[in-house]
This record gives sequence, structure tokens and C-alpha cells, in this order.
Amino acid sequence: NAGVTQTPKFQVLKTGQSMTLQCAQDMNHEYMSWYRQDPGMGLRLIHYSVGAGITDQGEVPNGYNVSRSTTEDFPLRLLSAAPSQTSVYFCASLTRDRANSYEQYFGPGTRLTVT
Amino acid sequence: AQSVAQPEDQVNVAEGNPLTVKCTYSVSGNPYLFWYVQYPNRGLQFLLKYITGDNLVKGSYGFEAEFNKSQTSFHLKKPSALVSDSALYFCAVRDMNTGFQKLVFGTGTRLLVSP
Repeated sequence: NAGVTQTPKFQVLKTGQSMTLQCAQDMNHEYMSWYRQDPGMGLRLIHYSVGAGITDQGEVPNGYNVSRSTTEDFPLRLLSAAPSQTSVYFCASLTRDRANSYEQYFGPGTRLTVT
Repeated sequence: AQSVAQPEDQVNVAEGNPLTVKCTYSVSGNPYLFWYVQYPNRGLQFLLKYITGDNLVKGSYGFEAEFNKSQTSFHLKKPSALVSDSALYFCAVRDMNTGFQKLVFGTGTRLLVSP
């Protein structure tokens, strides 16, 4: 199993540009989520999904959209990038069978810079 | 609201010496506490967790953590540090206020083990 994969690893955007961060997992996990990591702030939850077709907002959802058309994929869209979205983005997954373990599997991250 | 605090931005220790990375928590109800490690350019990896039972929890790579209810602490420890332990360590707590298995992360502590 490849686990949780994310593309691209690095990206530089200009203010106002749009892009999609890709996340895929091959473990058939029902739960998937997106976090952003900023210095001195830990990881903060952006959006999450408990299954295909179901998404909801986390604590910092503004400026981001998500969709979950398949179990495997959970892309994160930035519609109009802003410098405040410069961050490292992590995708994570968790199987419903072990949901109460809270042991999430994280991807390697995407480092995004918005100029 | 659930929260964790990591009071040290960085911990320096010599190889072979014991190490401690501190974490304190604030929760309502019974805490589910976690430690994750992030190696350079990698995603977060689960180390260990406390849910209930023995206050001393053993995890991966020789790490352990001690749950102390009276001091509301969950410090990460290792008897003999290795240079390869150098990484960023995050303490986290389960957030019971969402309908998702959300973790609330601390700000992280960078561990630097010198040869």
C-alpha cells in the first residue's frame, strides 16, 4: 500500500490564482481530512469527510473548497489564493472501523507559497 | 474547549542521555492523548496514545509517555536519545465537540539530539 499520497510536494502561486491540492489513499479509509500547519500554531483542521459524498467544515475553512466523489480521493481547492494561505498542507485518513482510536494516517504534505 | 500546550519550542539533548518533551492538557471529560512525530519533509507519524489504563504508555521507537492526571500532563520520554530521534514532536488531544475524529494539536517541540 502507498498509504496517503499528496501532490504536488511544492507549489508557488500568485495572489488570485487557483489550484487544487490532490490527496489519495489506498487503504479504503472512510474518513479523510485536510490540515494546515503554520509555525507556532500546530495543525488546524480545514475540512473533513466521513465518506464519499459527505464533507464538512473544520475550524479554518474560509478560502477552501473540498469534494469527495470517491472513497480514495479528497482534493482541496483554493479558488483565489491569498498570501495568508501560505502554509504546509497535510491530508489524513482514518478507517471507520478504528475511528475511536483516532490514529490518523498522514500524507507527506504540500508546501504552498502564495506571493 | 480541548487544548494542549507544549511549553518548549526546542529541546536539546546529547546522544545517550534521557529525553523529555513536555505536554500539558486541558479537557472536559476523559482525555484521549496522543504523540506524533514529524521527520524532515515527511508527514506526521503516530507514536503512542493514552486512552485509559496504565499511566505509562509505551510506543514506537522506544518512546514512552507518562499520563499524570493531577498535573494534567502527558510528557514524552525516552531513556537514551539517538541522533535519529531529532524531529518535530506534536502532542494532541481528542476533540469531543465535533462529529468527527478531530485532533487538537499543540504547537510542536523540536528535538535536537547532538552526537
